[in-house]
Amino acid sequence: GQNIDQPTEMTATEGAIVQINCTYQTSGFNGLFWYQQHAGEAPTFLSYNVLDGLEEKGRFSSFLSRSKGYSYLLLKELQMKDSASYLCAVREQTGANNLFFGTGTRLTVIP
Amino acid sequence: EPEVTQTPSHQVTQMGQEVILRCVPISNHLYFYWYRQILGQKVEFLVSFYNNEISEKSEIFDDQFSVERPDGSNFTLKIRSTKLEDSAMYFCASGGGDNEKLFFGSGTQLSVL
Repeated sequence: GQNIDQPTEMTATEGAIVQINCTYQTSGFNGLFWYQQHAGEAPTFLSYNVLDGLEEKGRFSSFLSRSKGYSYLLLKELQMKDSASYLCAVREQTGANNLFFGTGTRLTVIP
Repeated sequence: EPEVTQTPSHQVTQMGQEVILRCVPISNHLYFYWYRQILGQKVEFLVSFYNNEISEKSEIFDDQFSVERPDGSNFTLKIRSTKLEDSAMYFCASGGGDNEKLFFGSGTQLSVL
C-alpha cells in the first residue's frame, strides 16, 4: 500500500521560488513522479526520480531522499501559468508500473 | 508529441445504465491504465493492463467494471450498471515500460443522474 502526503494549498508570488514537499510510505518503492494538472485537464509529466538527489529540468527541479521517504518539487521564476495542482505519485515494485497519486497541491501564483 | 486520445469527452447517463469509455493509447506502448478523479479529490488507480490481460486492479474496480482491448489500437472501460458515485473524470493512460512516464488522455467526464 501507499501513503502519500502533500500540502493541500500553497500561494506564491510571480517571479519567486516555491518548494512543494511530498512524503510517502510504500511497500516497494520504484520511483517518484511529479505531474502538473490544470483544472479540468489531464495530468502532464514534469519530472521523475528513482535515485537520491536532484533532477533539474529548466525552471523545475525535483529532489528525492529514499531513506527519508521524501521528495520536493522546486519551481523557479514563477509565472502566472504555473497556477495548477502539482501531483506527487509513487511507482511501486510490481510488474504493472502503476502510479499511485497523492491528493495534489494546489498552487496559486499571485502578481 | 504522441497523444493518448479518449472519447467521448463528456458522457451523461442514467443510473443503472451501461457505459463504455474509449481510449486509443500511444501506438508503441505496452502498458495501459484507467484512473478516475472525483471532483476535488485525488487521481485514483483503477486497473492496469499488459499483454492482453489485467495485471493489477484496485478495490474500486469491482465486478461492475471491465476492460478490453478489442483490437490493436483501442482500450475500453465498461461500467455495467452505473451508480451515482461513479460520476467522475476517467483518465486513460499508457506507458512504454519500466521507468517510463505515463501519458494521460484528456479524460471523459462521466455524469450519472
